[in-house]
Parts: sequence; C-alpha cells; structure tokens
Amino acid sequence: NAGVTQTPKFRILKIGQSMTLQCAQDMNHNYMYWYRQDPGMGLKLIYYSVGAGITDKGEVPNGYNVSRSTTEDFPLRLELAAPSQTSVYFCASSITTNEKLFFGSGTQLSVL
Amino acid sequence: DQQVKQNSPSLSVQEGRISILNCDYTNSMFDYFLWYKKYPAEGPTFLISISSIKDKNEDGRFTVFLNKSAKHLSLHIVPSQPGDSAVYFCAASGNTGNQFYFGTGTSLTVIP
Repeated sequence: NAGVTQTPKFRILKIGQSMTLQCAQDMNHNYMYWYRQDPGMGLKLIYYSVGAGITDKGEVPNGYNVSRSTTEDFPLRLELAAPSQTSVYFCASSITTNEKLFFGSGTQLSVL
Repeated sequence: DQQVKQNSPSLSVQEGRISILNCDYTNSMFDYFLWYKKYPAEGPTFLISISSIKDKNEDGRFTVFLNKSAKHLSLHIVPSQPGDSAVYFCAASGNTGNQFYFGTGTSLTVIP
C-alpha cells in the first residue's frame, strides 16, 4: 500500500533552471495538495486540486504551476527556480475537503 | 499572518509523564482541528482530530481538548513514550474553504 509517493527526495537546482516535482497517490482520493515548509515555519499551501482537470491557488502560488490530468497524479512545476524556493515540499491527498490529509515523504529542494 | 500558532518550539518530558502541546488560532470560522506527528525525513502523519461541536476527543494515549472561547486547543499524551519524540503540528480549517492552516510545530523529546 504505497499511499502518496513523491519523487525525487532531494534536488539541487541552479537559479533559473526548471523542474517538476512528481506526486502520485493510489488511494483514489479526489483532493490533492502541494505544501511547502520553510525552516521554523508551518506548512503553506501552494496549490490544490479537487479532482482531475480542476486546480486552484493556495496561499503561496507564485513561481509554481500545477496540472491534474488524472486522479492519481499531481505534478508541481517550477519554471524559473529562485533561492526563495529553497524549501521542503510535501504532496498530500484526502478523500474530500475537511478530511485528514495523507502526506508523501517530501522533496528537499535547494536553489543555489 | 499566522492564523494558527504554536508558541512553544520545543518541549522535553520524562518517559511516563504527561506531555501537553498547545495551539492557538485567530480565525473564529475554523471548525475542524487536527494534530499531525512528523519524524525527520518523513511526511506528517495524522494523529487525532476534533470538530468544533466537541470539546474533547480521545484516542488511546492521545487526547485533544478544544476551548472555542479562548481559541485554544491542546494535545495531551499520557503516558509519554520515547517513540513519541517527534515534531507535532496542529492544523485548522473552516467549512468555507479547502485549505488547512498549519502551526509552526513543537518538537517533543521524551527522555527515557
């Protein structure tokens, strides 16, 4: 039972590079989320999706893009990496809104 | 602005004693509260939740108390065990949105 799977676990980017953080869940959850956690801070919502084809911005969406072509996958795209995007990124899913979140193990990203 | 606050970054407790972790919130529209536990290099895992229609919820060694008038909730762990050593996050949501707001976390160390 894999749950929520994130890849890669670690990545170093140079300023201006782009990359995609992958997230997949096998629980048939409609809701999926991307959070970032900066040192000493709580998790901040970047984007979320309530189902395939539907995405919406969270608290800190600038510099990111998402897509949701299937129920299972919710990739997060960084187009022009900046040092401010150095963070730990968590993908999560839930059955519906206001239900407990199931988190992946995170991606530690450094932009230098 | 941090809508959910955990003012104690760390807490140390002797094994067998009670651990009390506190959380305050500012938004009176929040009606669902959760606690998550996080080990290093892992994603947060759900621990316990409480709805605003209740003031207490218990699950084994874990009890969450909600004081709506004070906008305060607490997590009690009795008895504390070394395996409880982790970072604990509280989170809150309201029925008008799809977002959970997280506190900054409290690092609990249970000393054998």
